[in-house]
Amino acid sequence: AQTVTQSQPEMSVQEAETVTLSCTYDTSESDYYLFWYKQPPSRQMILVIRQEAYKQQNATENRFSVNFQKAAKSFSLKISDSQLGDAAMYFCAYRISTQGGSEKLVFGKGTKLTVNP
Amino acid sequence: DSGVTQTPKHLITATGQRVTLRCSPRSGDLSVYWYQQSLDQGLQFLIQYYNGEERAKGNILERFSAQQFPDLHSELNLSSLELGDSALYFCASSPYHRGEQYFGPGTRLTVT
Repeated sequence: AQTVTQSQPEMSVQEAETVTLSCTYDTSESDYYLFWYKQPPSRQMILVIRQEAYKQQNATENRFSVNFQKAAKSFSLKISDSQLGDAAMYFCAYRISTQGGSEKLVFGKGTKLTVNP
Repeated sequence: DSGVTQTPKHLITATGQRVTLRCSPRSGDLSVYWYQQSLDQGLQFLIQYYNGEERAKGNILERFSAQQFPDLHSELNLSSLELGDSALYFCASSPYHRGEQYFGPGTRLTVT
């Protein structure tokens, strides 16, 4: 069964510094999608970044980038120049899909990120 | 704003009651997903609909049911409510073959 593990329940970073959140997953598939979602205190789930497994290039979105290591089944999120607004719960997610068109996301338990001024 | 809307925002009801949560997907998205977020279970997938048809089922209780209508909005029905059903219920939608899902703001259900 596909599982997603986030080993850091909490992390903190100083404003303007860089922080890396870890995620590992378990799968026997060769083609899949991985995502990072952010959940601020408002509880809205916001898509931060996506990575397609067949792409060797790591995804980047402005200050957010990933380090995707397919063989190690590792998918970490790097936040550069951290801002106070980055404080949130961050969830790593894996998309399970089938030929029949069924899809679902499996989430890790989340990492709570605190940004210190 | 993800483009996915959910109503109501908050719902407080008593045990044994029945409630309906409503979701409108982003314009053009045919797939709708429901997730439950609780403190002890985390984010759990409940069910997926694609263009009116059920496509995937997760750990959805028999007391829960859902449907997707011809205009693509979806409703999640929760009946015989128990205290443990208190949670944040999210609806998400996705563009076909894109992979990512966009979440609505959620409905916070409190069962007293």
